[in-house]
Amino acid sequence: SQQGEEDPQALSIQEGENATMNCSYKTSINNLQWYRQNSGRGLVHLILIRSNEREKHSGRLRVTLDTSKKSSSLLITASRAADTASYFCATAPMDSSYKLIFGSGTRLLVRP
Amino acid sequence: DSGVTQTPKHLITATGQRVTLRCSPRSGDLSVYWYQQSLDQGLQFLIQYYNGEERAKGNILERFSAQQFPDLHSELNLSSLELGDSALYFCASSGRERGDPEAFFGQGTRLTVV
Repeated sequence: SQQGEEDPQALSIQEGENATMNCSYKTSINNLQWYRQNSGRGLVHLILIRSNEREKHSGRLRVTLDTSKKSSSLLITASRAADTASYFCATAPMDSSYKLIFGSGTRLLVRP
Repeated sequence: DSGVTQTPKHLITATGQRVTLRCSPRSGDLSVYWYQQSLDQGLQFLIQYYNGEERAKGNILERFSAQQFPDLHSELNLSSLELGDSALYFCASSGRERGDPEAFFGQGTRLTVV
């Protein structure tokens, strides 16, 4: 079963708006990562947040992690049409941190 | 370019056949992961190898097997193929044993079983 579940499944916004995606997971984790996938292509790593961190920034990306609620959010500010892609959260479970477990993804469409 | 190479890019084969997917990890990476991505199942973790040894197993069917060779490249073997095995198969690599660092993904092999 999936460790992470993203919400919403699909998001459509206007260029310049902010996009927020949420991820919930089930077990204790070492870290949580966000990836981006353009249609039919490989996933690209965006950002990693460790279990002892609460917030992290990278360019227009902001990630938060709430381990008590087992949830994370990815905020993309000032979105661009080129941000159109699917976004996945991935967790490295504490009991088996050899594997990365991916959520079902959020499909983001940024309209020009 | 992630540095992870997967071959072939596309594969069309008939039910009941066997295929081998190949992955060359990023230079220096010891861990290789295999994932299956289909429309109805999303991105499913199959198996992970670290320096030639199997380290973690996901929802990998018994008809599927994998190995990592001394030169660290990996192969995923799919046998007795069924229509439902049609999917994108991704290989990813990372540098260390544990899942801390980022995983670098190849462009995938699109398998179509007819």
